[in-house]
Amino acid sequence: GESVGLHLPTLSVQEGDNSIINCAYSNSASDYFIWYKQESGKGPQFIIDIRSNMDKRQGQRVTVLLNKTVKHLSLQIAATQPGDSAVYFCAENPWGNQFYFGTGTSLTVIP
Amino acid sequence: SQTIHQWPATLVQPVGSPLSLECTVEGTSNPNLYWYRQAAGRGLQLLFYSVGIGQISSEVPQNLSASRPQDRQFILSSKKLLLSDSGFYLCALGGTHGYTFGSGTRLTVV
Repeated sequence: GESVGLHLPTLSVQEGDNSIINCAYSNSASDYFIWYKQESGKGPQFIIDIRSNMDKRQGQRVTVLLNKTVKHLSLQIAATQPGDSAVYFCAENPWGNQFYFGTGTSLTVIP
Repeated sequence: SQTIHQWPATLVQPVGSPLSLECTVEGTSNPNLYWYRQAAGRGLQLLFYSVGIGQISSEVPQNLSASRPQDRQFILSSKKLLLSDSGFYLCALGGTHGYTFGSGTRLTVV
């Protein structure tokens, strides 16, 4: 959509702090969501997913929260490390196997 | 397991020259395949997707075209490149658990 032409929102955090990256999704019919991490010069990689029958899911150092009421998704990264510096995309799945990506957020970890 | 291959990794082409980027997948049949473009510091823009051989859907009008000559091959082409075609091009393989992306092609049109 139009948002792909905009510069990515940026977030800077100190190493060791927790990071929270937010995403607003558009389709209330979406029932599956994924967070991707894209390091510089590489393709996005799957981090964690969540289905709409859950409001929280935890992985290794990452937690995804889903608020269906306000169509909001967040990714929390605990004890952020320099290797976490990347662009993070949320993706929603409203039907079939088609996914739609959010604008993305550029995370910079300050050593 | 499913794998996706995309090449070349980098490409520098003059304005007006043709383009052909290739994407192939392994470990699956009849996959959904996608081409995305990403300008520097920006988000993912869906260019084309294909649900089968010869089936191409275009998301945005532009100077590019796509073809699916074989089940596991997806090609992005242009007859004459523009400066605005510069960017990072990503091929993706669709699945029930999201997309698997290729490693991308950095295209610079000079």
